[in-house]
Amino acid sequence: GAVVSQHPSWVICKSGTSVKIECRSLDFQATTMFWYRQFPKQSLMLMATSNEGSKATYEQGVEKDKFLINHASLTLSTLTVTSAHPEDSSFYICSARKGTGEGEKLFFGSGTQLSVL
Amino acid sequence: GQNIDQPTEMTATEGAIVQINCTYQTSGFNGLFWYQQHAGEAPTFLSYNVLDGLEEKGRFSSFLSRSKGYSYLLLKELQMKDSASYLCAVRDNYGQNFVFGPGTRLSVLP
Repeated sequence: GAVVSQHPSWVICKSGTSVKIECRSLDFQATTMFWYRQFPKQSLMLMATSNEGSKATYEQGVEKDKFLINHASLTLSTLTVTSAHPEDSSFYICSARKGTGEGEKLFFGSGTQLSVL
Repeated sequence: GQNIDQPTEMTATEGAIVQINCTYQTSGFNGLFWYQQHAGEAPTFLSYNVLDGLEEKGRFSSFLSRSKGYSYLLLKELQMKDSASYLCAVRDNYGQNFVFGPGTRLSVLP
């Protein structure tokens, strides 16, 4: 299978600071990556779709000025949580789409546990 | 709209067989995926169905009926390590969106 690396695995920060999370596809090029948020014992909530070379598409209710997404290359997408607050504490997961048509699959990063104090 | 339903929790005994159901109503369909997720970890791919029928892969099998909007994941010879959440996800017609179900938390007891 394909490998998607997500960094950092966990981060603790003070309220008001910004945190950047990286998502890399290590052995394939991903024109599209997805960012999810997951609360304990709940399913994945899609936050945004990140397209290489263009602006991200945000889901309804997700603040694009707070969750900045950059997809500058075919192997890297970043999510920056700006001016983080305790309510932003969550598990953030990225995924990258590999293949086309019926062969298309998602591969997930290992996730980032964000704790805002 | 998009809607995917799964049971919230299931419990089974080590060595037994368990079936996790998933029903979906989506605006389009281009494949159904099952993922396994252990607590605090990212989901890992288990299976993929795009045509009706059963796909078998070792202890895991997945079934799809597109006319009924229904799928199930079958786990045989359950092991303690199978305790995890199982997510059903549907890919829409254009491949832009994967819609995830709420997940089923499976507990395997000795």
